[in-house]
Amino acid sequence: SQKIEQNSEALNIQEGKTATLTCNYTNYSPAYLQWYRQDPGRGPVFLLLIRENEKEKRKERLKVTFDTTLKQSLFHITASQPADSATYLCALDNGSGNTGKLIFGQGTTLQVKP
Amino acid sequence: DAGVIQSPRHEVTEMGQEVTLRCKPISGHNSLFWYRQTMMRGLELLIYFNNNVPIDDSGMPEDRFSAKMPNASFSTLKIQPSEPRDSAVYFCASSLRSSTDTQYFGPGTRLTVL
Repeated sequence: SQKIEQNSEALNIQEGKTATLTCNYTNYSPAYLQWYRQDPGRGPVFLLLIRENEKEKRKERLKVTFDTTLKQSLFHITASQPADSATYLCALDNGSGNTGKLIFGQGTTLQVKP
Repeated sequence: DAGVIQSPRHEVTEMGQEVTLRCKPISGHNSLFWYRQTMMRGLELLIYFNNNVPIDDSGMPEDRFSAKMPNASFSTLKIQPSEPRDSAVYFCASSLRSSTDTQYFGPGTRLTVL
């Protein structure tokens, strides 16, 4: 069956360190993958999109990699700050031709301590 | 732009009652999505529309759920009759097109069915 897995346990790191979050998937062939941030009581907010033919994408302190062989995406936040504390969701298109239908992972909660 | 607008923000109702959730997408966006988020199941797509037409409703749990989009600026999600297991946060999102575009989420409606 199709599955998206993110670390269910919260990730606690010290301010200034690099946070690395993992998204693994099985039985999908996504054309692209997206990462969203969700704060408590709010809707998810889009951060980055990476396509299947892209290995890496960067935006300010954020970096995403996409390995279609390993079926894995890594999301990095460098020089992390307490304001980066949130839940981060990965989402895949369901592979049926750019329909916009996204399947979301359960999310990983990041806590950055000062 | 005010972003995606949802109402009400909170709804408490009794089992068996009809519940109607409302959404106003971002002006000019052609695709609209309804999601449900719970701790157990995460963020699940219920239904999405493209140019006001329902494209995929395979995520709608059962016949008690229905969604409409009478025009480009308004959509409703109705639950009739409601049950305690419907308690969740319901999000509406919109995107410019149905392909790889970013989805913009509303603040959500927290539904509690007693």
